[in-house]
Amino acid sequence: AQSVAQPEDQVNVAEGNPLTVKCTYSVSGNPYLFWYVQYPNRGLQFLLKYITGDNLVKGSYGFEAEFNKSQTSFHLKKPSALVSDSALYFCAVRDIGGATNKLIFGTGTLLAVQP
Amino acid sequence: DVKVTQSSRYLVKRTGEKVFLECVQDMDHENMFWYRQDPGLGLRLIYFSYDVKMKEKGDIPEGYSVSREKKERFSLILESASTNQTSMYLCASSFGAGSTGYTFGSGTRLTVV
Repeated sequence: AQSVAQPEDQVNVAEGNPLTVKCTYSVSGNPYLFWYVQYPNRGLQFLLKYITGDNLVKGSYGFEAEFNKSQTSFHLKKPSALVSDSALYFCAVRDIGGATNKLIFGTGTLLAVQP
Repeated sequence: DVKVTQSSRYLVKRTGEKVFLECVQDMDHENMFWYRQDPGLGLRLIYFSYDVKMKEKGDIPEGYSVSREKKERFSLILESASTNQTSMYLCASSFGAGSTGYTFGSGTRLTVV
């Protein structure tokens, strides 16, 4: 069965420092991987996705993610964090089985950027 | 701008009431989903639909039902609301076989008292 894990409940980083939010996955076959961000009391917003091609994927708001097949990871990164990046981040993987493209989500990582 | 609209942002209902959560999308997406979000548990799939009048159970369907009479509208029904259904409910839609991801609504925070 497909699954995704976010090992950190919270990540703290100072403004201006690089940030990494970790995600590992388990799938049979080639993975479709996604990152979403959720601001307080809002729905999730799409950040970026990996389907195929370059292992480094660039997305919205200056975020990027690196697909690493050997480590089955898809970590979210940003070179310089902003206070406004503070939010809840979800990694997701497409569930291969069934009639449609269900996504399986991780439990989320709260990113707190201190000024 | 494409949109998924959930009819209520905040809702307070009494135990035992029948509750309807409505979701409408304007993107002609085939697939629509209902998730609930609880702290520490992430997003859990309740039901989804890949076509009009078609529905499939997700991971936690107990206590819920759904209706999809038109392509753009997907309703979640709590037949008899209970306090353990207090949660954030998120609707999403998507197109095709999986490469495009989801578009989410803003969520409905339901409190059952």
